[in-house]
Amino acid sequence: SQTIHQWPATLVQPVGSPLSLECTVEGTSNPNLYWYRQAAGRGLQLLFYSVGIGQISSEVPQNLSASRPQDRQFILSSKKLLLSDSGFYLCAFDSGTGVPEAFFGQGTRLTVV
Amino acid sequence: AQSVTQLGSHVSVSEGALVLLRCNYSSSVPPYLFWYVQYPNQGLQLLLKYTTGATLVKGINGFEAEFKKSETSFHLTKPSAHMSDAAEYFCASLQAAGNKLTFGGGTRVLVKP
Repeated sequence: SQTIHQWPATLVQPVGSPLSLECTVEGTSNPNLYWYRQAAGRGLQLLFYSVGIGQISSEVPQNLSASRPQDRQFILSSKKLLLSDSGFYLCAFDSGTGVPEAFFGQGTRLTVV
Repeated sequence: AQSVTQLGSHVSVSEGALVLLRCNYSSSVPPYLFWYVQYPNQGLQLLLKYTTGATLVKGINGFEAEFKKSETSFHLTKPSAHMSDAAEYFCASLQAAGNKLTFGGGTRVLVKP
């Protein structure tokens, strides 16, 4: 079966520190991968999506970057966190073929202090 | 570009009353449509989806939604609200020819006893 793992669940980081959030998918090949952010009261904002290894599209200018070093691995990074990077980050995937359905990770609550 | 609009960022209903959450999409070609539910500090869980065929779609937890092409709508309903329905609900669309989910802004549901 298809599953998605996202970690860590919670993270408290000081301003200026680096960030690495990881997401892995099982049970499918060549999925489309997504990183979303939820800031308080602002809904879901698509940050990055990827249709294949090394193919990353950025939706909004920001302090974050994404990488896809392997087919089923998606990493969200920052070199220096800002206070405004605080939020709830969600990784998601869909199979990219057949009947579309997106599956979400459990999310990471990031607090930058 | 496709967009999804959810009318009302907050909805308050009494336990046992009808739940109605509105969703409209803008697309020249009818997309795939989804409703997701999110409980606090968790990822999104699929409630139901419309792909093709029957326009009335039944999902989990007693929810259903009807695709109306003429109104470009996909409203979510539940005849009788339960306290456990308190959560945030997201409508989303996906173009059959594309590969990127588009979410509405979300509607937070409060259920009063």
